Amino acid sequence: EAAVTQSPRNKVAVTGGKVTLSCNQTNNHNNMYWYRQDTGHGLRLIHYSYGAGSTEKGDIPDGYKASRPSQENFSLILELATPSQTSVYFCASGDDRGTTLYFGAGTRLSVL
Amino acid sequence: QQQVRQSPQSLTVWEGETAILNCSYEDSTFDYFPWYWQFPRESPALLIAIRPVSNKKEDGRFTIFFNKREKKLSLHITDSQPGDSATYFCAASNYAQGLTFGLGTRVSVFP
Repeated sequence: EAAVTQSPRNKVAVTGGKVTLSCNQTNNHNNMYWYRQDTGHGLRLIHYSYGAGSTEKGDIPDGYKASRPSQENFSLILELATPSQTSVYFCASGDDRGTTLYFGAGTRLSVL
Repeated sequence: QQQVRQSPQSLTVWEGETAILNCSYEDSTFDYFPWYWQFPRESPALLIAIRPVSNKKEDGRFTIFFNKREKKLSLHITDSQPGDSATYFCAASNYAQGLTFGLGTRVSVFP
């Protein structure tokens, strides 16, 4: 049974539109993360959270917002989507030390 | 500036050979170094990890060698198998601020 579930798995959005990517974890981990993966750039950290109500900026936060309304849920929000945000997005949860991350299956986003 | 660097970008070995993947880092405060592997169309998963208190970590055919002074580490895959074909990411962390990943090394093992 998947412990980190992302939805949707695939999304096509229009430039300027709002996109919300959702993530749910059943690991009871405090920490959650959003990464994007692009060829030539590897995995880059966008936002992360230490627990419900907290969000922190990662290495590439511009153009993205995050929301952590509960222990289980962590969303990534693109208020005004741009083609440069076309990517595969991974959500992950981790223990308090951040030593092991458990990744979801990924969301493939295309912004046209 | 890439905080975690990996080389080579891609590596091809024959079944039974040893594959050696290299990694270096910039930040001296990094205190945890995991390697993740990712198969095509799947998500990354933890393979093996090391802390700077050790200079070697073994798990079956996978071994990490760590050189704190030079800020370098390497992953050795002995007796490589076709099922080891994947992209391997070196990562580094200094507590719970997420992992910083390298760009990855794509390993292909041919029978």
